[in-house]
Amino acid sequence: GENVEQHPSTLSVQEGDSAVIKCTYSDSASNYFPWYKQELGKGPQLIIDIRSNVGEKKDQRIAVTLNKTAKHFSLHITETQPEDSAVYFCAASLFTGTASKLTFGTGTRLQVTL
Amino acid sequence: DTGVSQNPRHKITKRGQNVTFRCDPISEHNRLYWYRQTLGQGPEFLTYFQNEAQLEKSRLLSDRFSAERPKGSFSTLEIQRTEQGDSAMYLCASTPRGWGTDTQYFGPGTRLTVL
Repeated sequence: GENVEQHPSTLSVQEGDSAVIKCTYSDSASNYFPWYKQELGKGPQLIIDIRSNVGEKKDQRIAVTLNKTAKHFSLHITETQPEDSAVYFCAASLFTGTASKLTFGTGTRLQVTL
Repeated sequence: DTGVSQNPRHKITKRGQNVTFRCDPISEHNRLYWYRQTLGQGPEFLTYFQNEAQLEKSRLLSDRFSAERPKGSFSTLEIQRTEQGDSAMYLCASTPRGWGTDTQYFGPGTRLTVL
């Protein structure tokens, strides 16, 4: 089955700096890669996703890049703000058109300091 | 769109007791997923439904676990004879109907503590 590794496990940045979180996956057939943000006591919230036919996607301060050859994808957050502090999870799946069983990484705790 | 809701939000039980959790997906979402999340880990897939049909179950879902979605709307997850190792956050997610739509929207989860 799929295996997703995520680094770093914790990341501390100053407000306004950029943050980068990296993930690698094992199954070359995986074609869908979402990123979730989870705040304390809440369920994961989708922040951005990318499919295997695209190399990069951007949404305001958030961007994701995908390298299919190397089987890794990264989350980039620019101009970080205190409200970006949370745990971020990457995930990978093979979407068959009807269902997508997500395999998650172990999470990155991002702390944005003033 | 009120989001995915889960009840109860917290459940404390004694080892050996049975517990049942409920998930109400976003209206008209026909696919529903259950995941389990232990402390410091990412969610792990348990099972999923398309309408009322349970189409896949993880090896994590032992015989003590059963999930249903009788009318293709809400779903229940029951754990019989709970063990301390069952302590975790149980998350539900739903996906809109339609080909090519796979974005999973998660609920707030039910945190289970087995004493």
